[in-house]
Amino acid sequence: GAVVSQHPSWVICKSGTSVKIECRSLDFQATTMFWYRQFPKQSLMLMATSNEGSKATYEQGVEKDKFLINHASLTLSTLTVTSAHPEDSSFYICSAPPGGRNSPLHFGNGTRLTVT
Amino acid sequence: AQSVTQLDSQVPVFEEAPVELRCNYSSSVSVYLFWYVQYPNQGLQLLLKYLSGSTLVKGINGFEAEFNKSQTSFHLRKPSVHISDTAEYFCAVSEGGGNKLTFGTGTQLKVEL
Repeated sequence: GAVVSQHPSWVICKSGTSVKIECRSLDFQATTMFWYRQFPKQSLMLMATSNEGSKATYEQGVEKDKFLINHASLTLSTLTVTSAHPEDSSFYICSAPPGGRNSPLHFGNGTRLTVT
Repeated sequence: AQSVTQLDSQVPVFEEAPVELRCNYSSSVSVYLFWYVQYPNQGLQLLLKYLSGSTLVKGINGFEAEFNKSQTSFHLRKPSVHISDTAEYFCAVSEGGGNKLTFGTGTQLKVEL
């Protein structure tokens, strides 16, 4: 149980286009979801906290106009990389807490974005 | 602010040998501690967690970790590793409850025959 599903698992796009990544909680509701970014052989860096029904909270240094987050329902959050550039190529992972606040995060399987 | 240090970027070990992956943290308040495992091109899977209570925590796949407040450590151990344990292991901390995690830089465990 407590599955977080992320789609697509990989995507290749051309520079200047936008890409949308979906994160779904399959068997639980999540008022909060978290988006992380991971560069090759590096740790996960928190990009933003997605809040259902309100604006996302972005970490320092993350461009909110470039990484658009929408949390329209209790089971779906989306991350849209707008006007993508090669330096946006990375592994993006979402997570959600099945047990609400203070419960461990469950992670999606990630999305490998390659911008050519 | 909280931080996590994993001093070993890579740990090679032979199959059936014991292993310890080190994790130290710094925080000015009480913390929750976690170990996650990541297989290639996948998300993270929770191995174990320390929230409160007993300082020795047992997790999945035979792993365990011990919370040592005086040394601000949360080292991960397994008495006998298997080839399938080859993966990246991340230590993480959240301050004072809440779900916001800060991760260490990860330790690549490579189990060899």
